Amino acid sequence: GAGVSQTPSNKVTEKGKYVELRCDPISGHTALYWYRQSLGQGPEFLIYFQGTGAADDSGLPNDRFFAVRPEGSVSTLKIQRTERGDSAVYLCASSSQVPGELFFGEGSRLTVL
Amino acid sequence: AQKVTQAQTEISVVEKEDVTLDCVYETRDTTYYLFWYKQPPSGELVFLIRRNSFDEQNEISGRYSWNFQKSTSSFNFTITASQVVDSAVYFCALTSSGSARQLTFGSGTQLTVLP
Repeated sequence: GAGVSQTPSNKVTEKGKYVELRCDPISGHTALYWYRQSLGQGPEFLIYFQGTGAADDSGLPNDRFFAVRPEGSVSTLKIQRTERGDSAVYLCASSSQVPGELFFGEGSRLTVL
Repeated sequence: AQKVTQAQTEISVVEKEDVTLDCVYETRDTTYYLFWYKQPPSGELVFLIRRNSFDEQNEISGRYSWNFQKSTSSFNFTITASQVVDSAVYFCALTSSGSARQLTFGSGTQLTVLP
């Protein structure tokens, strides 16, 4: 499809495990964002890429969280030693201009047991 | 620091009623952008509008209209003649020149339109 694609849509893992969440942005969009949304809350900014580089990672909560975008297209959010508090929906968005309309994916729901 | 406040957690109206969703923002920057997004039950956030801080003209798009008032730091959203399909969570958001492209969201307003 032409929209932002995120996989997996659902991920259940155990405390302490490592997880990877993938985002495939709209083709040609140079800006890519990761947000985290907890139940009943608005999305919270995690990290922003312009091309291959992380232009702003100030929203990453701690060093267990890391994201890459090696070729300036697909991005992977990596979470080490997961904790129950990491449970949330992780949203990816892309944009062709900054600041501009962000196109969001449907999110990856992470549940840490 | 920037902040967006949506004081209305939940609103319920009957179909065909008009409804206004409130948004109040805080920022120290003089250049900023305001957004509204809709999040239906499917979960995907859908862009509705973007306004910059230098354009205070109100905007109308079909049944949707937006009232931007810098004097009260508000960017309210009105749906006229609401429909059941308007039921969703609506988020107001802000980004500014000093925020390094971060979009700060409010906590959202759950709108339920009853038939």
